[in-house]
Amino acid sequence: DAKTTQPPSMDCAEGRAANLPCNHSTISGNEYVYWYRQIHSQGPQYIIHGLKNNETNEMASLIITEDRKSSTLILPHATLRDTAVYYCIVRVSNSGGYQKVTFGTGTKLQVIP
Amino acid sequence: NAGVTQTPKFRILKIGQSMTLQCTQDMNHNYMYWYRQDPGMGLKLIYYSVGAGITDKGEVPNGYNVSRSTTEDFPLRLELAAPSQTSVYFCASSYYRIQSERGIGNTIYFGEGSWLTVV
Repeated sequence: DAKTTQPPSMDCAEGRAANLPCNHSTISGNEYVYWYRQIHSQGPQYIIHGLKNNETNEMASLIITEDRKSSTLILPHATLRDTAVYYCIVRVSNSGGYQKVTFGTGTKLQVIP
Repeated sequence: NAGVTQTPKFRILKIGQSMTLQCTQDMNHNYMYWYRQDPGMGLKLIYYSVGAGITDKGEVPNGYNVSRSTTEDFPLRLELAAPSQTSVYFCASSYYRIQSERGIGNTIYFGEGSWLTVV
């Protein structure tokens, strides 16, 4: 199974960039990397996804290494509302070709005033 | 557009009772998922479905059953509830198709969660 590894927690000063790393060394060549976040006990919220190139949207930027074995989610100007658990996930194909989506333990980001 | 709707939002069960968590989506998604999340922990995949009539086990399927008779609905059945099943349950859905040229993947949409306590 392709798995992801993330640091359990990080702190970031309000207004500064938050850089959240993720290792996914066994990712398949055509599988996207997805990032979600979960605030308190709400359902996870989609942030961004990417395949090979760097991606940017209104919420964040995603930097994927050339070998695709790791990626970094960047929140350019972290606010207190960005305090959440951030999950990096990849899909895993089973023998039948079905796509199983599993979440790791994520990174708990604490934005500090 | 309601998205993914779960019911009930809160429920207290006695040990040994059974119940069904309902989940419905109105986005015509082929994939649906059930996750559980214990306090302070990450999400664990219980079961998922790739379409009507097709389901597969996730990471923690024991003590649960699912069915997918329609595209819209994916109920989760708890048989003989145990305290270890006290958790928050999330249903989710996505539309998955292979895009051979651009890779594969799509966004997962989550419900608001169902809080279940077994006493």
